[in-house]
Amino acid sequence: GENVEQHPSTLSVQEGDSAVIKCTYSDSASNYFPWYKQELGKRPQLIIDIRSNVGEKKDQRIAVTLNKTAKHFSLHITETQPEDSAVYFCAPLKSGAGGTSYGKLTFGQGTILTVHP
Amino acid sequence: DGGITQSPKYLFRKEGQNVTLSCEQNLNHDAMYWYRQDPGQGLRLIYYSQIVNDFQKGDIAEGYSVSREKKESFPLTVTSAQKNPTAFYLCASSMRGLAGVKNIQYFGAGTRLSVL
Repeated sequence: GENVEQHPSTLSVQEGDSAVIKCTYSDSASNYFPWYKQELGKRPQLIIDIRSNVGEKKDQRIAVTLNKTAKHFSLHITETQPEDSAVYFCAPLKSGAGGTSYGKLTFGQGTILTVHP
Repeated sequence: DGGITQSPKYLFRKEGQNVTLSCEQNLNHDAMYWYRQDPGQGLRLIYYSQIVNDFQKGDIAEGYSVSREKKESFPLTVTSAQKNPTAFYLCASSMRGLAGVKNIQYFGAGTRLSVL
């Protein structure tokens, strides 16, 4: 099965700084790379995702970059704000028809981001 | 709120008792999932179902059982065989993981299970 590791496990930044979280995966057949955000006491929600045929995707202050050769992808948050404080999960996926292993997300262990005002 | 409803929000289990967590979705999604969340361990997959009347074990299925008799419902039973059931349980649903289809998972608000 897929082995997924996130680094760092905790990240503390000052408001306005940038934050980067890295996700390393093992299955070279993974082709869809999402990031989820879980605020304290709330449900996880997708914040950005990327497919394997794209190297980078941006959405306002957040971006995801993918290095398929090295099998890792990263979440970048610029101009951080206190409301960015949350746990962030990566969940690489092998998407496609072809058996029960497809469509099954494997989540990283999470990164706790704290943004200090 | 999000189209996926979990109940109850809090649940207490006595020793030797089976308890069932409810998950209902009105998003017309084929696939549904159950995750267990413990502090510092992220989300671990218990069971998932990509279509009605079919389901597969995830990474930590021992001590749990599920059924998928209706598309919109995927209840999880925590049996007495699960010796450490205290955790936060999250249900999710998505479109089927077919080629070209994003597997965006929509989560319920969770059920917090504790042992008395």
